[in-house]
Amino acid sequence: GAGVSQSPRYKVAKRGQDVALRCDPISGHVSLFWYQQALGQGPEFLTYFQNEAQLDKSGLPSDRFFAERPEGSVSTLKIQRTQQEDSAVYLCASSLGLARGYEQFFGPGTRLTVL
Amino acid sequence: TQLLEQSPQFLSIQEGENLTVYCNSSSVFSSLQWYRQEPGEGPVLLVTVVTGGEVKKLKRLTFQFGDARKDSSLHITAAQPGDTGLYLCAGVRSNFGNEKLTFGTGTRLTIIP
Repeated sequence: GAGVSQSPRYKVAKRGQDVALRCDPISGHVSLFWYQQALGQGPEFLTYFQNEAQLDKSGLPSDRFFAERPEGSVSTLKIQRTQQEDSAVYLCASSLGLARGYEQFFGPGTRLTVL
Repeated sequence: TQLLEQSPQFLSIQEGENLTVYCNSSSVFSSLQWYRQEPGEGPVLLVTVVTGGEVKKLKRLTFQFGDARKDSSLHITAAQPGDTGLYLCAGVRSNFGNEKLTFGTGTRLTIIP
């Protein structure tokens, strides 16, 4: 596809369940970002990959959050033992990266609801 | 924690009116971007401003970056129903190779036909 895709688009989890959210970036994009957007708020940075290397994970809210991009393309954000405060839209963005000024292209997001 | 405050948070106006949205921070950014987000979609980039005092126009939208590169404004002339959406500013602190975005709190704009 031409854009960033994310799956699933919607996920409902019971508190305590583990979830995995997938991001397919635009082909050839080096940089990949994950953001968390709470209802009525702007997105907040979670983590950043350059190819397969996770260079910044300063935004991950707890050690229950884990992200990977093993082959430098598809990325997975995993949340263990989900809590109600994890309910949010999780956005993935990719860019050509490595230099200033490259536009980040966002996927449609995965809306996670934890009951 | 949102470091960029946007005002107003909500704005509902009649078609044809003008409006201004503000984005303010105590921090300096190397550049600032404005996005529009539709329900169920990710943010889409409208413009990037880089130089303090810079003004950019995109049809009926005018964007300005403050002289000190801490604040910005978005002005819409003769608003149309198609302008309805969530407007987000985002600051970039250039950390070479990692241009993570710091988003504002958002302004939800509704244009009434």
